[in-house]
Amino acid sequence: EAQVTQNPRYLITVTGKKLTVTCSQNMNHEYMSWYRQDPGLGLRQIYYSMNVEVTDKGDVPEGYKVSRKEKRNFPLILESPSPNQTSLYFCASTANPTGAPYEQYFGPGTRLTVT
Amino acid sequence: RKEVEQDPGPFNVPEGATVAFNCTYSNSASQSFFWYRQDCRKEPKLLMSVYSSGNEDGRFTAQLNRASQYISLLIRDSKLSDSATYLCVVHSGYSTLTFGKGTMLLVSP
Repeated sequence: EAQVTQNPRYLITVTGKKLTVTCSQNMNHEYMSWYRQDPGLGLRQIYYSMNVEVTDKGDVPEGYKVSRKEKRNFPLILESPSPNQTSLYFCASTANPTGAPYEQYFGPGTRLTVT
Repeated sequence: RKEVEQDPGPFNVPEGATVAFNCTYSNSASQSFFWYRQDCRKEPKLLMSVYSSGNEDGRFTAQLNRASQYISLLIRDSKLSDSATYLCVVHSGYSTLTFGKGTMLLVSP
């Protein structure tokens, strides 16, 4: 089954404790991205990757890091989480970001709470 | 500044009603347009693409007006299962996909 998986699905952590949210897709997609979704603000892109070893900042990259060592994986790293990073995070992938329809496949989401 | 604006909602409608959602975008260079659906606490999923000539998929009709930078989604004969948040999405470049904040639809019996 074609899918994007994320782990963990739920995480409660404390300020400053480094964490990684994993994302993996089995569709051989080149393009992957991370979003956060907050009430009243909608989905905002954090980082994206157009291929292995190619990453770039989205709209809200501060406080986050990513890596793309393999095509299928795109982990999101919070080196020193803060309460303002409490949010619902989605990983997404697409085969061809310039093609139509530009369908992004989203993972199930990770609900992160930083206390 | 890239922006996608949607009706704030929520829209409360009875089953069988017709409901329309509107969306405007600020970047005149935008290339592709989509409607995504998001159920509560779930991931967004593509509902339909929006083409210049307008397109229909069953009870759903999407239209685009490039001159006015306006996109619409019409849902006819609403079902309870249509209750969700509808996201207007605009593709403005190779890697830029901008989401509206969404409009919530609640269909009641």
